[in-house]
Amino acid sequence: NAGVTQTPKFRVLKTGQSMTLLCAQDMNHEYMYWYRQDPGMGLRLIHYSVGEGTTAKGEVPDGYNVSRLKKQNFLLGLESAAPSQTSVYFCASRRGGARRLVDEQFFGPGTRLTVL
Amino acid sequence: TQLLEQSPQFLSIQEGENLTVYCNSSSVFSSLQWYRQEPGEGPVLLVTVVTGGEVKKLKRLTFQFGDARKDSSLHITAAQPGDTGLYLCAGERWDTGNQFYFGTGTSLTVIP
Repeated sequence: NAGVTQTPKFRVLKTGQSMTLLCAQDMNHEYMYWYRQDPGMGLRLIHYSVGEGTTAKGEVPDGYNVSRLKKQNFLLGLESAAPSQTSVYFCASRRGGARRLVDEQFFGPGTRLTVL
Repeated sequence: TQLLEQSPQFLSIQEGENLTVYCNSSSVFSSLQWYRQEPGEGPVLLVTVVTGGEVKKLKRLTFQFGDARKDSSLHITAAQPGDTGLYLCAGERWDTGNQFYFGTGTSLTVIP
C-alpha cells in the first residue's frame, strides 16, 4: 500500500516549457487535490477533483490544467511554465463521497519545481 | 490574502517550555484540521475538530476549536525536540465544494 505517490520528485524547467506532474493513489479515494506551497504562504489549492472525470478550480488555478481520467490518477499540467510557478507541489487524496465530518487528507511527498 | 492566518509565523523555544499557536479567520468552517510537516515531506494529520468549543488532546498537544468555528489553537506542553516542524491549520468549507483552506503555517524549533 504505497498511499499517495508523486512523479517526478524534482524538475527544472526553462520559461515557456511544458510539463505534467503525476499523482497516483492506491486507497480508492474519491477526492484528489493539487496544492502549491510557497514560503510564508502555507498551502494553496490549485485544482481538485471529487471523482473520476470531474475537476474544479481552487484558489490559484491560473496557468495550470488538470485531468482525472482514472480514479487513481490526478495529473497537473503546466502548458507554458513561468518563474512564478517555482514552488513545491503537493498532491493529496481523501475518501470523500457523502459529507464526512472526519476525513483525513493524505499527502504525497511533493515535487520541487524550479522554473528558470 | 490568506483565509486563515496563523501566529506566530516562527517560534524558537527551549525544551520543556509551553507554547500556543493560533489560527484565526473571519470565515466559519465546518471542520478544522491541524497538520505537522517535516522538511522534504508532505503534511501529516494530527487532529480534526468539528464542533464549536471542542477540545481534543493528543498526549502533550491540546487543540481547541472556537465557539463560532472561526478560529482554533494548538497548545503544546513541555515541548520536546521531536515537536520541531511546520504546523499548519486547515479549515474546510462545505459552501465551496469541500475545499480546504490552509493557514500560513507556524515553524517551530525546540532547542534541546
